[in-house]
Amino acid sequence: QVTLKESGPAVVKPTQTLTLTCTFSGLPLNTDGVRVGWIRQPPGKALEWLARIDWDDEKFYNTSLKTRLTISKDTSKNQVVLTMRDMDPLDSGMYYCARIGGSGWFSYLDTCGQGTLVTVSS
Amino acid sequence: QSVLTQPPSVSGAPGQRVTISCTGSWSNIGAGYDVHWYQQVPGTAPKLLIFGNTNRPSGVPDRFSASKSGTSASLAITGLQAEDEADYYCQSHDTSLGASLVFGGGTRLTVL
Repeated sequence: QVTLKESGPAVVKPTQTLTLTCTFSGLPLNTDGVRVGWIRQPPGKALEWLARIDWDDEKFYNTSLKTRLTISKDTSKNQVVLTMRDMDPLDSGMYYCARIGGSGWFSYLDTCGQGTLVTVSS
Repeated sequence: QSVLTQPPSVSGAPGQRVTISCTGSWSNIGAGYDVHWYQQVPGTAPKLLIFGNTNRPSGVPDRFSASKSGTSASLAITGLQAEDEADYYCQSHDTSLGASLVFGGGTRLTVL
């Protein structure tokens, strides 16, 4: 059974860089077909997809946030790391990592982590 | 402004049937991409409810069903229970947004 757990700072200052870690358990990240993504949810608002990294290290980003995001993985620790630069108070909210199910343009969030709350404030 | 449009809220009494619509366009649902649905109880992570338009993951009761037609999709919940009170999100893809997953704005279901 695959489980995911997010970790990172609860508070970051405006203009700082946020680094979040997703610890993936139950399957090696470099297993054929494994894909992990990040989504976020501002308080009281809808889900927003951020980025995805695949078992073969292919990466995909939200086109609107692409210049601020970097996704990577550390297979030795079985972790996926997301960095978001130039943080703004509007970036506050819950950040979830998720195992991506399906394939190609028929993908979905198969399993989500519990999420981590990030507040951007000076 | 979400790519997919959902009603902000729906409600129903225990035992009743409710439906939640998800309206897209010819660049997403109408282009043939699958629609998926999630349930999010407040304070918890989204949980996959329906994948591939009509399929229920193991453990999801058959009270939940979904359909897709043209540029829209719909989630139906029958035999409404208090534990169904949650936010529901539809999700698909859009040809103009590459590999991004696109979501609806969410619908809050209130069980009266």
